[in-house]
Amino acid sequence: NAGVTQTPKFRILKIGQSMTLQCTQDMNHNYMYWYRQDPGMGLKLIYYSVGAGITDKGEVPNGYNVSRSTTEDFPLRLELAAPSQTSVYFCASSYGTAQQFFGPGTRLTVL
Amino acid sequence: AQKITQTQPGMFVQEKEAVTLDCTYDTSDQSYGLFWYKQPSSGEMIFLIYQGSYDEQNATEGRYSLNFQKARKSANLVISASQLGDSAMYFCAMNPHAGGTSYGKLTFGQGTILTVHP
Repeated sequence: NAGVTQTPKFRILKIGQSMTLQCTQDMNHNYMYWYRQDPGMGLKLIYYSVGAGITDKGEVPNGYNVSRSTTEDFPLRLELAAPSQTSVYFCASSYGTAQQFFGPGTRLTVL
Repeated sequence: AQKITQTQPGMFVQEKEAVTLDCTYDTSDQSYGLFWYKQPSSGEMIFLIYQGSYDEQNATEGRYSLNFQKARKSANLVISASQLGDSAMYFCAMNPHAGGTSYGKLTFGQGTILTVHP
C-alpha cells in the first residue's frame, strides 16, 4: 500500500501561471481532502470530496478548483497563481470521519 | 462552526519526563471526534491518537494519552517518557460526526512546537 501519494513534491510558478497538483490514494477511502499550510500555521481546508463526482468547498477555496472522477484521484487545480498561494499543500483521505491519512505534501512557491 | 485553540506556541521538556500539550475546542455539535497529529521537521503529518466525544474512557496509544474533559471542552495530549524523536509540531484537530455541512471536515489548531532536551 502506497497510501496517499502527491506529485510534484516541489514547484515554482510565476504569477498568472496555472498548474494541477495530483493526489492518489489506494486505500479505497470515500473521503478526500485538500489542505494548505502556511508557515508556522495549522492546516486549512480548501476543498473536500465525499465520493466520486461529489465535491464541496472548505474554508479557503478561492483560486482553486477540484474534480473527483474516480475514488482514487482528487486533483487540485490552481488557476492564475498568486503569491498568496505560496504554501505547502496536503492531500488526505479517510473512511468517513475516521482518522485522515495524509500525503507527503507539495511545496509551492509563486513568484 | 468549530474552533480549536492551542495556547502554547512552544513547550520544552527534559528527555524521559512527561509533558502535556493543551487543546481546547468549541463546537455546538453533540457528536464529534478529536485527533492529535505530529508534524516533524520533515513535514509529514502523523496521526497519533483519537477520542470520540461519546467515548467514556480516555484514549491511549502507547506513550500517548488524551486527557478528555468534555464539560471543559478540553482534549489535552499527554506524552509520557519523552524521547528526542518527539521534538516536532503537534496539532489538535476535530471533526463533527453528525450530519450537516461540516460533516467529516477537520478543523486544526495553530499547533504547539515541542522541544525535547537531552
